Amino acid sequence: GEDVEQSLFLSVREGDSSVINCTYTDSSSTYLYWYKQEPGAGLQLLTYIFSNMDMKQDQRLTVLLNKKDKHLSLRIADTQTGDSAIYFCAERGAGNMLTFGGGTRLMVKP
Amino acid sequence: DSGVTQTPKHLITATGQRVTLRCSPRSGDLSVYWYQQSLDQGLQFLIQYYNGEERAKGNILERFSAQQFPDLHSELNLSSLELGDSALYFCASSAAGGRAETQYFGPGTRLLVL
Repeated sequence: GEDVEQSLFLSVREGDSSVINCTYTDSSSTYLYWYKQEPGAGLQLLTYIFSNMDMKQDQRLTVLLNKKDKHLSLRIADTQTGDSAIYFCAERGAGNMLTFGGGTRLMVKP
Repeated sequence: DSGVTQTPKHLITATGQRVTLRCSPRSGDLSVYWYQQSLDQGLQFLIQYYNGEERAKGNILERFSAQQFPDLHSELNLSSLELGDSALYFCASSAAGGRAETQYFGPGTRLLVL
């Protein structure tokens, strides 16, 4: 079955880069997504990448996809305290539903 | 603001009861998805509707049901509630439910079963 794994926690200093990693198992994944969830809030779409791409950059966000290793990463440049949140990686496989990882809690220290 | 609205924001009820959660998709979106976020199971897909018809089913319990109405809003009905049903329930919408489409999430309904 489909499975998406993420590390639980990441702590960085303000101004540093953050790299959040994700691995997935479904080789038929077409799109991979990154969502952000702030405390008490819903899921905010940050960015997504199509499976035939290796990289996508969107302002401070860079997504890298290694399809051979089924590894996805999200790099946040110049991380700010407002970036503190839980980040979810999700894949869209054969169906239309999204399969989510368990989320990575990013803590940004001033 | 994603444009997806959900009501109520919070719901507290007792075991054995039945509740209805409501979702209005973004203007023009035909497809609605329901997800459950709980501490032990994480974020799980429950069910998808497209233009009033059920399109895909995930890990949805038999005690749960959903429907999408002609005005495209959707309701998720949870019955015979158990303590373990306490969770955040999200609705998402997309234009036509196709594989290439992004799903936009509402703010969620937090359900607490006592």
